[in-house]
This record gives sequence, C-alpha cells and structure tokens, in this order.
Amino acid sequence: NAGVTQTPKFQVLKTGQSMTLQCAQDMNHEYMSWYRQDPGMGLRLIHYSVGAGITDQGEVPNGYNVSRSTTEDFPLRLLSAAPSQTSVYFCASSPGTGISLDYGYTFGSGTRLTVV
Amino acid sequence: AQSVSQHNHHVILSEAASLELGCNYSYGGTVNLFWYVQYPGQHLQLLLKYFSGDPLVKGIKGFEAEFIKSKFSFNLRKPSVQWSDTAEYFCAFASGGSYIPTFGRGTSLIVHP
Repeated sequence: NAGVTQTPKFQVLKTGQSMTLQCAQDMNHEYMSWYRQDPGMGLRLIHYSVGAGITDQGEVPNGYNVSRSTTEDFPLRLLSAAPSQTSVYFCASSPGTGISLDYGYTFGSGTRLTVV
Repeated sequence: AQSVSQHNHHVILSEAASLELGCNYSYGGTVNLFWYVQYPGQHLQLLLKYFSGDPLVKGIKGFEAEFIKSKFSFNLRKPSVQWSDTAEYFCAFASGGSYIPTFGRGTSLIVHP
C-alpha cells in the first residue's frame, strides 16, 4: 500500500554509536520531514527537504544529518548517539506546493529509539 | 519565531460531553492550519485542515474547527465525544510560503465510557 515506510520500528543504541533511520515514500511527494516526539514537547522538526538534493535544518538539527538523493528516500543519520536523543522519530511527506492544495502531511509509523 | 500554543494539556471528559480544544498561532501572514490525531501506539493522522475559504472546516469523525483570523485561533470542536476519541490531538500550522508544519505540544484527551 502507498504510504511512508520507516525502519526500524525499534532500536536500542549505546552512547556514541551511529545509525541511520530509514524513510521511504512511494507517493512521489516532494516534501519530506523528520520530527521527534517527546512527552510534553509535541513534535519538533529536525530536518526537512523540499525536493531531491535540497535539505534544510528545522528546530532541533544538532546531532543529526540528512540527505535526499532521490525523491523516495530521506534517511536520518545519528552521528554519535546521546541519551538526549532517546525519542520517537516520525518521518512525514506531502505533495508540496504547486501541485495541489489538498495536502496534509502523511506520517510514517515511527521509530522508537532508546540510547543507553 | 512562529509558534503554536495549545492551551489544554490534558482533558478528561465523559462520553457524550462536548469538546473544544484551543489552538492559537503566532504569525502575521497567510497560514495553513491543521489538526492531527494520534491514537495510542499509532502515528499521526490528519483530522482536518484549513487553507482558505469557509473558516468553519469539517473533518473526519464528526470533528470541526473554526479559523478566527482576528484571534489567530483554530479551535477544534466535537459536539459529543466517544470513548474511541481518546487520543492525543495536535494543532499545526504552516506559513503560506512554507508548507512545513509547526506543531503544538499536543492535548491528551481521555474519554470515560
């Protein structure tokens, strides 16, 4: 089924380890974003992309890298994991501007990350 | 900086009670407004959205929201809640040229049967 696919669903890392959270969408959406969700903090934007080859920082980008080599994929890399990065991570996509006003972000099912 | 405020962090209601969740945003220009719902253990789903036109927007599951530009508000309402409405609700907005939503901190709604 069409949608946003995130892998893995759960991950435990040791402090200092690196890893990549995968996000893929098959809806040909231009816009993709990564959010982290923490209790009482809502969703905070980490990085976003408005198209292949274009990325920008959100509200909380430190400690994370992204790239957008294809329209479909938008991986999030943790360079050196810290306990403060324990969170639930959501990837989302939307058609973006100029295509249709009938858009809203489609979210993936999330990755629950624990850093010990 | 643009931001979204949700006034109620936790709301507890009995079934059939009416619901209103407050949302205010801070941005002076054109905005696109959203309400998302997150059921326990699930990802966010779009409830309704406002881009332009009629400021009273109807969404899924009997929810509606009213955009009041003069008050920078987009409150969510439902006349009669059900136990299945227990969830976390997020207000979000994107400035007219951005299309990247900024989310509020969320309101946890518990509906007792």
